Amino acid sequence: GAVVSQHPSWVICKSGTSVKIECRSLDFQATTMFWYRQFPKQSLMLMATSNEGSKATYEQGVEKDKFLINHASLTLSTLTVTSAHPEDSSFYICSARPLAGVYEQYFGPGTRLTVT
Amino acid sequence: DQQVKQNSPSLSVQEGRISILNCDYTNSMFDYFLWYKKYPAEGPTFLISISSIKDKNEDGRFTVFLNKSAKHLSLHIVPSQPGDSAVYFCAASVYYGGSQGNLIFGKGTKLSVKP
Repeated sequence: GAVVSQHPSWVICKSGTSVKIECRSLDFQATTMFWYRQFPKQSLMLMATSNEGSKATYEQGVEKDKFLINHASLTLSTLTVTSAHPEDSSFYICSARPLAGVYEQYFGPGTRLTVT
Repeated sequence: DQQVKQNSPSLSVQEGRISILNCDYTNSMFDYFLWYKKYPAEGPTFLISISSIKDKNEDGRFTVFLNKSAKHLSLHIVPSQPGDSAVYFCAASVYYGGSQGNLIFGKGTKLSVKP
């Protein structure tokens, strides 16, 4: 149990275009989903926290107009990178927390974004 | 300022021996700690966790020790296997006001287990 999927697993896009990444909890409901970014040889950096049906909470330094997050249901959250630039190239990972009462987060497999 | 530190970027161990991965933290409010394992180009996988009210938690080959006075925790893997080769992340969290806080991750330690 506790499987989280991400789609796509990798994407290449041109500078200036937008890319949408989906995160789904397959066998549990998640009131809270998280979006992380990982640079090579670096830790996972939390970008934002999204709760179903409400606006996402962004970490300091993360542009909310650039990284649009939508958490439309208890099993789906999306991250849209708008007007992508080469510096947005990174490994994006989502995680989902099951309904209140646990600390654990279950992570998706990640999405490798390359902006050319 | 890093609140969770994994000062060893890499560790190499012989198969069958013990692997000890260390993690230090600065925030005394952290009350829950987790270890995740990550393979390249994959998301982290939850391994084991420990609450601040305990000093040890064991699950099969994996044991996590917590020393609150030293703000230090460690993950022991015995015996180490080649399949354990991965990056291990330590994470900490604060439980406040009836809701769980976010996870703060260390930079990870790359473990290599040699046959």
